Formats: sequence, C-alpha cells, structure tokens
Amino acid sequence: AQTVTQSQPEMSVQEAETVTLSCTYDTSENNYYLFWYKQPPSRQMILVIRQEAYKQQNATENRFSVNFQKAAKSFSLKISDSQLGDTAMYFCAFLGAQGAQKLVFGQGTRLTINP
Amino acid sequence: GAVVSQHPSWVICKSGTSVKIECRSLDFQATTMFWYRQFPKQSLMLMATSNEGSKATYEQGVEKDKFLINHASLTLSTLTVTSAHPEDSSFYICSAREVTGYGYTFGSGTRLTVV
Repeated sequence: AQTVTQSQPEMSVQEAETVTLSCTYDTSENNYYLFWYKQPPSRQMILVIRQEAYKQQNATENRFSVNFQKAAKSFSLKISDSQLGDTAMYFCAFLGAQGAQKLVFGQGTRLTINP
Repeated sequence: GAVVSQHPSWVICKSGTSVKIECRSLDFQATTMFWYRQFPKQSLMLMATSNEGSKATYEQGVEKDKFLINHASLTLSTLTVTSAHPEDSSFYICSAREVTGYGYTFGSGTRLTVV
C-alpha cells in the first residue's frame, strides 16, 4: 500500500520569506500523480499544485513550485514570497494511476506566516 | 472550474437520530465520490468510495450500517449517519472525481455535533 509522509508537523516563517514543505512517499507503481492541497481555517480543501510522475519537469503555479525527485520518492513544495493568506494546513497526496483511484494523504504540515 | 457543493455546512443533532449530508457536483459529472472524516488537527481519513449506481466501498473499520452512502446519480452522493452518538461528532468532507481526467474537487465540509 502507498504511504505518504510529511515529517514537519508545524512550520512558521515571516511574510515574504521562502518556505519549503517536505513530503516523501512510498509506492511500487511507476505511473502516479502527486498533489499539494491547502486547507485554510475555513477547512475548504484547495488544490495548490499537481505533478504527473511521468513528467520530469517540476510543476509551478505562480509562487508555488515543487521539487519532484522520483528516484528518491520525494515531492517538496516551495512557497516563494510567502503571504499571510498562505497560512493553512498543507497536505501532500498520492494518487496511483491504477487500482482504486483513492487519494492517499500525508499527515499535514501546519504553516503559519507571520507579519 | 469544477465545484462541489456540500450541505449542510454544520448540523447539531440529538443522540439516536439520523443525519443526512449531501454532496453535489454542480458543473460536472462524477462517477466516483469519496467521503472523508477529519478530526481536529489531523489529516483526512477516507471512509468510503461512492460509485454511481452501485454499492459503496467502505474502508476497513468503517461501519457500513452506521454510515449509509447512496450515489443515485452522477451529480449527487449522500452520507447518512444513523443512530448518531457523540463519538460520531466530527468534520465530514466529500470529494468528487470528474468523469474525465484526474481532477478531484472537495466540498466545503460538514461539521457534525451530536449532543
């Protein structure tokens, strides 16, 4: 079974700084998808960024980018020029291309951006 | 973009009563919907996978007779918590997968309090 591990329960940075959230996963599949979701205090789950495993190029979405290391099974999220609105829980998630199509979530990292 | 509407956003019920939570995909068809439970400061725990026109698939340890799931159309899945007890109090979130592609969209969640 796939597992996703986020080793940083909490992180805190100053506004405008850059912060990197870590995520590692374990799978025997070769084709899969990885996601970062944001859950602000409203608790609405919001997709931040997505990466297809077959793509070597790291995904970017404005201030958000990932460092996808397939061999190391690592998928970190970098937030540049952090803003107060980035304060939220961040969940890393894995989706296998085969099988039950269920998202597997990590434990989450609580990120606080301080003014 | 794809929108999933979840209602109610919060509900308080008495022990022993049943509560129904609705999850609707507003602008796309969803063959598969997922129901999660989230405890405070924890990750999402998958309860069951709801497939249109067939029985739901429950995760290990989830009581199917207590958490009834119905997915009667491509746009609606319902979760009914039967004979609710205070330990069923939690935050419940639904997610819908689009018929095409690997997009997963989440509802805004339902906070259930059983008194």
